[in-house]
Amino acid sequence: GDSVTQMEGPVTLSEEAFLTINCTYTATGYPSLFWYVQYPGEGLQLLLKATKADDKGSNKGFEATYRKETTSFHLEKGSVQVSDSAVYFCALAAGTYKYIFGTGTRLKVLA
Amino acid sequence: SAVISQKPSRDICQRGTSLTIQCQVDSQVTMMFWYRQQPGQSLTLIATANQGSEATYESGFVIDKFPISRPNLTFSTLTVSNMSPEDSSIYLCSVDRGQRSEAFFGQGTRLTVV
Repeated sequence: GDSVTQMEGPVTLSEEAFLTINCTYTATGYPSLFWYVQYPGEGLQLLLKATKADDKGSNKGFEATYRKETTSFHLEKGSVQVSDSAVYFCALAAGTYKYIFGTGTRLKVLA
Repeated sequence: SAVISQKPSRDICQRGTSLTIQCQVDSQVTMMFWYRQQPGQSLTLIATANQGSEATYESGFVIDKFPISRPNLTFSTLTVSNMSPEDSSIYLCSVDRGQRSEAFFGQGTRLTVV
């Protein structure tokens, strides 16, 4: 069945460091891909998305490119801030509504 | 976008009791979804609730344990019945505008069963 595999955390970085969180997926067909972020005590918020191969989603300095050949959607940011500390979830939507989430990666950014 | 209000935000309950979680959306939506997020784990879809019909449950979830109501296009409830400590989780309500454009989530209900 469809699945999402996400790098395990926690990831601890210093402020202004480069961030990569790996995400790979297995799906039949052509899923849409998403990164959601969950700040402490809050619900999930969409960070960025891509709906077809080679699309690049971007928001708040974060980027991810839909790579069909490697079935990947890695999240990157050139310079992280303390305020980026959160849990990041990679997800895919393969049917009309069904979302499948990765296990989440906790990011902690130190000042 | 969609604004989703979920109540209660957290609760501590005795085992054997039931808790009903409410989800209110600021606009009409066809489908509403309930997820469970167990401690340190990802989100798992419990069921899909359409207005005017029975909810559709995912494998491993049953109506007797998680009854759902969907009385109109902006509101749904999830009840966690006969709770045990294993039900301690965050429960999240979600809607989708359709065409896999984006899923919106409520802030979640953090349930602790003692």
